[in-house]
Amino acid sequence: EAQVTQNPRYLITVTGKKLTVTCSQNMNHEYMSWYRQDPGLGLRQIYYSMNVEVTDKGDVPEGYKVSRKEKRNFPLILESPSPNQTSLYFCASSFNNRGSSRGYTFGSGTRLTVV
Amino acid sequence: AQKITQTQPGMFVQEKEAVTLDCTYDTSDQSYGLFWYKQPSSGEMIFLIYQGSYDEQNATEGRYSLNFQKARKSANLVISASQLGDSAMYFCAMRDLSGGSYIPTFGRGTSLIVHP
Repeated sequence: EAQVTQNPRYLITVTGKKLTVTCSQNMNHEYMSWYRQDPGLGLRQIYYSMNVEVTDKGDVPEGYKVSRKEKRNFPLILESPSPNQTSLYFCASSFNNRGSSRGYTFGSGTRLTVV
Repeated sequence: AQKITQTQPGMFVQEKEAVTLDCTYDTSDQSYGLFWYKQPSSGEMIFLIYQGSYDEQNATEGRYSLNFQKARKSANLVISASQLGDSAMYFCAMRDLSGGSYIPTFGRGTSLIVHP
């Protein structure tokens, strides 16, 4: 089944403890991206990647890192999480950066709470 | 800069009736794509429908259609014959297709509740 897999689905952590949210897609998509969703703000892009070893900042990159060493994986790294990073996070992918006529395929989401 | 506006925070509709969710956008790009996504209470984002700025016909996908009015910069989603399972958040989004920006813009969403 074609899908984007995020892990974990839920995570509670403490301020300052490094964490990684994994994202993997099995569709050979070139384009992958991370979003955060906050009430009343919709989805905002954190980082995106056009292909292996090619990443760039989105609208809200502060406090996050990403890497794209393999085409299928695009982990999101929070080096020192803070409470304002408590949010619902989505990974998404598409065949190319345009999203194609089929849109972006989203993962199931990761609900992160930083205390 | 691109901007998406969804003016209806919440909408209510009777089961089996049609409902229109509004979306207006602002862009200086000539080539762009418009998307609608559904987010049920379980949280996943589900792609519904796509409209390209140069597509002359309105997009349709089953019970979903996109009422695209380019001059008015609107891309309203029409759901015909609403079902209880249509209760969800709906997001309008757009992407520049000319290569100027690789960051899609999402609206803040509209919550739709379908009554039996």
